[in-house]
Amino acid sequence: QSALTQPASVSGSPGQSITISCTGTSSDVGTYNLVSWYQHHPGNAPRLMIYEGTKRPSGVSNRFSGSRSGNTASLTISGLQAEDEADYYCCSYAGNITWMFGGGTKLTVL
Amino acid sequence: QVQLVQSGAEVKKPGASVKVSCKASGYTFTSSHIHWVRQAPGQGLEWMGIINPSGGSTRYAQKFQDRVTVTRDTSTSTVYMDLSSLTSEDTAVYYCARDSRVYSYGYGCDYWGQGTLVTVSS
Repeated sequence: QSALTQPASVSGSPGQSITISCTGTSSDVGTYNLVSWYQHHPGNAPRLMIYEGTKRPSGVSNRFSGSRSGNTASLTISGLQAEDEADYYCCSYAGNITWMFGGGTKLTVL
Repeated sequence: QVQLVQSGAEVKKPGASVKVSCKASGYTFTSSHIHWVRQAPGQGLEWMGIINPSGGSTRYAQKFQDRVTVTRDTSTSTVYMDLSSLTSEDTAVYYCARDSRVYSYGYGCDYWGQGTLVTVSS
């Protein structure tokens, strides 16, 4: 099993929107709509931002949204804020009660 | 409130084993699966395995299949992750995390432990 593919880094200015992609295969992202996204500030535990591809847990800003097309899931952050600067990871169910993470994307708010 | 409290940092020699604990509180222990995830220095998150605290069934990532054992003690609401045959590449922060889907799995991990640093060095 290889990790899901994410861009190593993305950046944007405050107020702008950015999208982080997460590319898998027909065995994971393409088959199961069970992609979650995590925000990770170094030194802290990861925080769940999106689950089941598009759903936001209670307390997560509606500036965060998720989508999927084919084997690729995406996380969009609108109205970028300085506090959004962090590492972001996608995670997909891969069948047989196993999961895999993406390699992570470092978001820089310029 | 839901809490997952992990055991403290460990330093191990190559070839040794390590056992990390994760004590759950604030919810019905047997209602939520627990995942184990690790992050090596400068690397990304890596899924290791999952346990259903209700029946104790487990599933592991193929990479760790031969070296990891996850168990639980329902009397103390604690999950354990045992990793054997350690090498320097196992130096990482290990997290336990609760699956947010009640009596099933797949909705992502909504609560995480604080992480346990395991250092493997001769």
